[in-house]
Amino acid sequence: GAVVSQHPSWVICKSGTSVKIECRSLDFQATTMFWYRQFPKQSLMLMATSNEGSKATYEQGVEKDKFLINHASLTLSTLTVTSAHPEDSSFYICSAGGQMNTEAFFGQGTRLTVV
Amino acid sequence: DAKTTQPPSMDCAEGRAANLPCNHSTISGNEYVYWYRQIHSQGPQYIIHGLKNNETNEMASLIITEDRKSSTLILPHATLRDTAVYYCIVRVLDGNNRKLIWGLGTSLAVNP
Repeated sequence: GAVVSQHPSWVICKSGTSVKIECRSLDFQATTMFWYRQFPKQSLMLMATSNEGSKATYEQGVEKDKFLINHASLTLSTLTVTSAHPEDSSFYICSAGGQMNTEAFFGQGTRLTVV
Repeated sequence: DAKTTQPPSMDCAEGRAANLPCNHSTISGNEYVYWYRQIHSQGPQYIIHGLKNNETNEMASLIITEDRKSSTLILPHATLRDTAVYYCIVRVLDGNNRKLIWGLGTSLAVNP
């Protein structure tokens, strides 16, 4: 299947700093990518839909100024957690593909810990 | 909200078939059923998807009832590596995007 790569796999940052997470589709072009957040023992929660060349669409309750999404090319979307706080500590996952009636492919996830 | 309901947990003996049920009684006629699994601290892995007909691939089989209100994922010969949380998802169309809305899934434990 197609490959989606996330970087970094884990990151520890200090409270108040910003962290950027990259999501790349390695062998296909993705006009749409999705960003999810998952807290321990919970399911994936969709944060936003990232569209190449346009603004991301955020789900209700997700602060667009705190979670900056940039989808500048057909193979790369980035999520920046700005002014991170301990409550932002979570597992962040991206996916690509899945439009039309195909499957979506997921990155390996990024474990963010804010201290 | 997720359009699917699944039992929170199931057990299966190694080598036996694992049958994971899913209810999706409000599914619309053009919405597909997708199955993914997630092993601890990893990204979800695609298993299979279908619309009306039963589907089979190298990983599993998907049986969808005629009224499409429920489905069953079958792992024919479960191994210890199949221990994971299995998610049954109805993909919905929201504007121009097809979204996966995740429920809590079924935690499958394959026992030796």
